[in-house]
Amino acid sequence: QSVLTQPPSVSGAPGQRVTMSCTGSSSNIGSTYDVHWYQHLPGTAPKLLIYGNNNRPSGVPDRFSGSKSGTSASLAISGLQAEDEADYYCQSYDSSLSGYVFGTGTKVTVL
Amino acid sequence: QVQLQQSGPGLVKPSETLSLTCTVSGGSISTYYWSWVRQPPGKGLEWIGYIYYRGSTNYNPSLKGRVTISIDTSKNQVSLKLTSVAAADTAVYYCARGGFRSQLGWFDPWGQGTLVIVSS
Repeated sequence: QSVLTQPPSVSGAPGQRVTMSCTGSSSNIGSTYDVHWYQHLPGTAPKLLIYGNNNRPSGVPDRFSGSKSGTSASLAISGLQAEDEADYYCQSYDSSLSGYVFGTGTKVTVL
Repeated sequence: QVQLQQSGPGLVKPSETLSLTCTVSGGSISTYYWSWVRQPPGKGLEWIGYIYYRGSTNYNPSLKGRVTISIDTSKNQVSLKLTSVAAADTAVYYCARGGFRSQLGWFDPWGQGTLVIVSS
């Protein structure tokens, strides 16, 4: 029941830069609501990667960066590393739901 | 730092009630929003609902009134109940801390996750 659309997968060689989009609507990203990003490794809990569109929690490498424009947001990973292979989810607040929505998820593969 | 420890059965029979508890340690349960999120096998994350420490709640309409989230501030615990479960409710369930005095925050930290299988 995701209302935020992400590409199913992106891939890149070690050291490369990859980006993934997160497309919403006027009731979520297109409003004033922030976008947050999570990294999810199999068998572990999701980890907060970016909060408030473009802020990194302590301990998250500056290789990860986020942005938001209009009804979309993007996550970029520069200097791709093998340990970055994971699923990535965007998340925002939705006024029509009065609750939270997640993206469909993007699997990052390091070639 | 704040840690969330989940507990509850990993196997529930169809039509019965799923019950999970999330115990918060290393910090207060007060002034925050607390959510439950689930991930069915092979699928993405789905928000189930939230509760504010004062007791106000909001749930995902997709769960059609089957969900109840409660809070016990004296025990620093948040609980989830999902009634009339079916195979489609099989998922890994997570509790997560949400915003500080605002439902517009992000989820951090998360509990370790509990795989709940609905099967007879």
